[in-house]
Amino acid sequence: AQKVTQAQTEISVVEKEDVTLDCVYETRDTTYYLFWYKQPPSGELVFLIRRNSFDEQNEISGRYSWNFQKSTSSFNFTITASQVVDSAVYFCALRTYEGAQKLVFGQGTRLTINP
Amino acid sequence: GAGVSQTPSNKVTEKGKYVELRCDPISGHTALYWYRQSLGQGPEFLIYFQGTGAADDSGLPNDRFFAVRPEGSVSTLKIQRTERGDSAVYLCASSLIPQSTDTQYFGPGTRLTVL
Repeated sequence: AQKVTQAQTEISVVEKEDVTLDCVYETRDTTYYLFWYKQPPSGELVFLIRRNSFDEQNEISGRYSWNFQKSTSSFNFTITASQVVDSAVYFCALRTYEGAQKLVFGQGTRLTINP
Repeated sequence: GAGVSQTPSNKVTEKGKYVELRCDPISGHTALYWYRQSLGQGPEFLIYFQGTGAADDSGLPNDRFFAVRPEGSVSTLKIQRTERGDSAVYLCASSLIPQSTDTQYFGPGTRLTVL
């Protein structure tokens, strides 16, 4: 079975602070893909990143960075110098070969950036 | 180019009524997915189409739910004898190819409220 856990239900920080969103996953597959999506108040899920299980290299995209560690089954997301526009619900998701085509999502973390 | 579109954006109906929710995927995408998102939760998989056929409908909660994609493009999710517990946001996603490596792009969703 596949499972994604986002233990942080809500996070609130002041603008310009750095913030890390945690994601822990479970799967028995050796081949799998991890995703982060952003869901702003408008409701549409916006794709942020995809990472496959064979690539543990961390990734940075502007103020966003992702830390993938297979040893702890974690795929954490850090926003540096947060901005009010970063306020949204963020979802981590898992897709496995065994799980076919469906994405398994975590519960989401509601991030509020206060000015 | 245009993203995934869904209509209506909001649907209010009475218990026991029949509803149809429409999804128009990104042009050229062969795979189409339906998810359901309850308040405060992550999206949950319902069904996925590869072309015109439903390749995996394991997420449909019961036989009141049905989906079609007759020409391999637009899809309609149909719910019979709606119940209050069906109230949720119904999300549609599409991907270029139905492989686990491919990214699913989501529409804005249809918020269904059953009174």
